[in-house]
Amino acid sequence: EDQVTQSPEALRLQEGESSSLNCSYTVSGLRGLFWYRQDPGKGPEFLFTLYSAGEEKEKERLKATLTKKESFLHITAPKPEDSATYLCAVQGGSEKLVFGKGTKLTVNP
Amino acid sequence: KAGVTQTPRYLIKTRGQQVTLSCSPISGHRSVSWYQQTPGQGLQFLFEYFSETQRNKGNFPGRFSGRQFSNSRSEMNVSTLELGDSALYLCASSSPGPQYFGPGTRLLVL
Repeated sequence: EDQVTQSPEALRLQEGESSSLNCSYTVSGLRGLFWYRQDPGKGPEFLFTLYSAGEEKEKERLKATLTKKESFLHITAPKPEDSATYLCAVQGGSEKLVFGKGTKLTVNP
Repeated sequence: KAGVTQTPRYLIKTRGQQVTLSCSPISGHRSVSWYQQTPGQGLQFLFEYFSETQRNKGNFPGRFSGRQFSNSRSEMNVSTLELGDSALYLCASSSPGPQYFGPGTRLLVL
């Protein structure tokens, strides 16, 4: 069974304090690993797709990386507007998307 | 392009009732998936429809059902509502590639 574990559950940063979120996974036949951002009361917003180990994607202050067992979402010099819950999901051979429980990020000014 | 839309946005029902939720995917997207999100369990996959056929199903009881129409719009139905069905129900569409989510329907069962 495909599984995703995200850590930490919650992270509090000061504005400008860089950090990383972790997503560990087990999947049969990885088709893709996805990162989403979710604001309270809203649907998840797509950020990145990673397909194979070694791949990296960047968008503004966010950079996602992938190994065979985990993915990291690096946040460089975060701003208060980066506060949200970040969700990681994997899609394996079953083609179902399996989500982790997310990391709630708070960036204080 | 317009995003995924879901109606209604909020619903209050009582135990034993049934409910139907609607989802309109992004234009050109033929795959629609449904998820249940609760604080304790996170996002859990309900089912996926592609070209009016259920392609995948999660581990939910038969009270949860869905369908997709020829224009790719989808509905999900929950019969005999239970208190534990209170959740945010999210719909996502893809073409394939990444799934794009709607704003969700917040269901409260009293």
